[in-house]
Amino acid sequence: GAVVSQHPSWVICKSGTSVKIECRSLDFQATTMFWYRQFPKQSLMLMATSNEGSKATYEQGVEKDKFLINHASLTLSTLTVTSAHPEDSSFYICSARDAGGHAGELFFGEGSRLTVL
Amino acid sequence: GQNIDQPTEMTATEGAIVQINCTYQTSGFNGLFWYQQHAGEAPTFLSYNVLDGLEEKGRFSSFLSRSKGYSYLLLKELQMKDSASYLCAVMDSNYQLIWGAGTKLIIKP
Repeated sequence: GAVVSQHPSWVICKSGTSVKIECRSLDFQATTMFWYRQFPKQSLMLMATSNEGSKATYEQGVEKDKFLINHASLTLSTLTVTSAHPEDSSFYICSARDAGGHAGELFFGEGSRLTVL
Repeated sequence: GQNIDQPTEMTATEGAIVQINCTYQTSGFNGLFWYQQHAGEAPTFLSYNVLDGLEEKGRFSSFLSRSKGYSYLLLKELQMKDSASYLCAVMDSNYQLIWGAGTKLIIKP
């Protein structure tokens, strides 16, 4: 099946710093990628939809200036958490839609666990 | 509004069968998906239903009734490794996935 690679898997940073998370589709082109966050024992919460070559679409309540998303190519999307604070500590997961597969079959990255001290 | 309902937690015994139900109310329907998510890991795709009926894939089967807004995931011959959360998701008319909160399945020996 299609592979999505997410990096880094773990990151610990100091409060006030910025962290960038990369999401790559390794063997397919992903015109659309999705970014989620997940708190312990809760389901996925969609943060934004990232479309290649255009601005991301953010879900209600998600600050676009705090969570910067860039989708510069068909295989790479990045999420930058700016001026991170302890409440931003969470599990961040990306997924990508293979244009050649089911419209709803998403391939997920491994996730990035962010801890802000 | 749109919502997906599934039980929060279920417990079953190794070797047994368990059925996880999912009911949905969405604006339009373009398919229902089941994903498995082990603790601390990303979800993995299990099944996709867009027509009524049962789809069987090994030990896992998924059923859909569009008229009832209802689906279930059936797991047979349960193994300890099946302990995970099972997420039900529906694709609406805008091709957006609406996610359920997930059902945590606990398998006991």
